[in-house]
Amino acid sequence: GESVGLHLPTLSVQEGDNSIINCAYSNSASDYFIWYKQESGKGPQFIIDIRSNMDKRQGQRVTVLLNKTVKHLSLQIAATQPGDSAVYFCAEASSGNTGKLIFGQGTTLQVKP
Amino acid sequence: NAGVTQTPKFRILKIGQSMTLQCTQDMNHNYMYWYRQDPGMGLKLIYYSVGAGITDKGEVPNGYNVSRSTTEDFPLRLELAAPSQTSVYFCASSHPTNEQYFGPGTRLTVT
Repeated sequence: GESVGLHLPTLSVQEGDNSIINCAYSNSASDYFIWYKQESGKGPQFIIDIRSNMDKRQGQRVTVLLNKTVKHLSLQIAATQPGDSAVYFCAEASSGNTGKLIFGQGTTLQVKP
Repeated sequence: NAGVTQTPKFRILKIGQSMTLQCTQDMNHNYMYWYRQDPGMGLKLIYYSVGAGITDKGEVPNGYNVSRSTTEDFPLRLELAAPSQTSVYFCASSHPTNEQYFGPGTRLTVT
């Protein structure tokens, strides 16, 4: 069946360093991927997305990389700040056009001052 | 734009009670979704709707019901609350094949 998972439950980085959060997906038919950030007590917040016709997409301080060969997705955060501390989820779109997303369990990013 | 709003923020139910979680969006999105999130876990899809009058089951629909009479509203109904339904519930909306926008969540405890 379809599943999306994250490799590390917790990632601890020093303020100012770059962070890399990884995600593996199993459905090679998925063609849309999203990264969400969830702060404590809040709903998930959209960070960046990428479609399967791209390998890389950049936003403000964030970059998403997609490797379809090994079904791997990563989120890179440059110059990590204390405000980046949160749980990060990757999600993949299921087949069809219903917009359904399948979420992984999440990686907690802790930023040390 | 208020985005996606949910009420109530918190609720405690006794086993067997029923309640409706409200969700409203003002972005004119056709697609709406209900998820639950258990502690330390990702989100699981309960029900979704691709437009007014159209709903379908997600991954974990048992114990829940939904209706979609308008584009803006997508209430989730729990008929006979069980401890296993203790969770945080999130509503989301989107345009087709675009990112979903989430509400702030409803924290439900069933005792």
